[in-house]
Amino acid sequence: GENVEQHPSTLSVQEGDSAVIKCTYSDSASNYFPWYKQELGKRPQLIIDIRSNVGEKKDQRIAVTLNKTAKHFSLHITETQPEDSAVYFCAASRWRDDKIIFGKGTRLHILP
Amino acid sequence: DVKVTQSSRYLVKRTGEKVFLECVQDMDHENMFWYRQDPGLGLRLIYFSYDVKMKEKGDIPEGYSVSREKKERFSLILESASTNQTSMYLCATWGNTGELFFGEGSRLTVL
Repeated sequence: GENVEQHPSTLSVQEGDSAVIKCTYSDSASNYFPWYKQELGKRPQLIIDIRSNVGEKKDQRIAVTLNKTAKHFSLHITETQPEDSAVYFCAASRWRDDKIIFGKGTRLHILP
Repeated sequence: DVKVTQSSRYLVKRTGEKVFLECVQDMDHENMFWYRQDPGLGLRLIYFSYDVKMKEKGDIPEGYSVSREKKERFSLILESASTNQTSMYLCATWGNTGELFFGEGSRLTVL
């Protein structure tokens, strides 16, 4: 089955700097890669996703890149702000056809 | 807005008790999931269901079972609760856009 590895487990960046979180997956049939953000005490919420037919997707300060050959994908957050502090989860699945498997999460701290 | 409602936010049970965690969604979604969330371990899939009366094992099904008698309701059952099942349990449905909609979670403590 699918296995998703996520690094780092904890990341501290200065406010205004960029943050990068990386994930690898094992199942070459996976074709859908979402990212979820979970603020303290709240439920996870989708922030961005990418399908395997594209290599990059951007939404304001957030971008995701995908390298199908290497089976890894990354989340990039630019100009970080205090409200970006949260736990971020990457995930992988076969689009609408299978379960969604999550990485172990990255706790992002934005330092003032 | 999709609404995913979990019946209990906090539960305290004793070892050996039978525990029911219920999840109801209002969007007629076919796919429903139960995850367990533990610090440092992320979200681990316990069971999922594609349709009524259908169920599939996730990565950690041992000690759990599920029931899906109606499309909107997906129940997680701990036949005999143990202390290592103390955790946060999250139900989710899979929307047509690919987004998972989570419930608020049920924090279970087994003494």
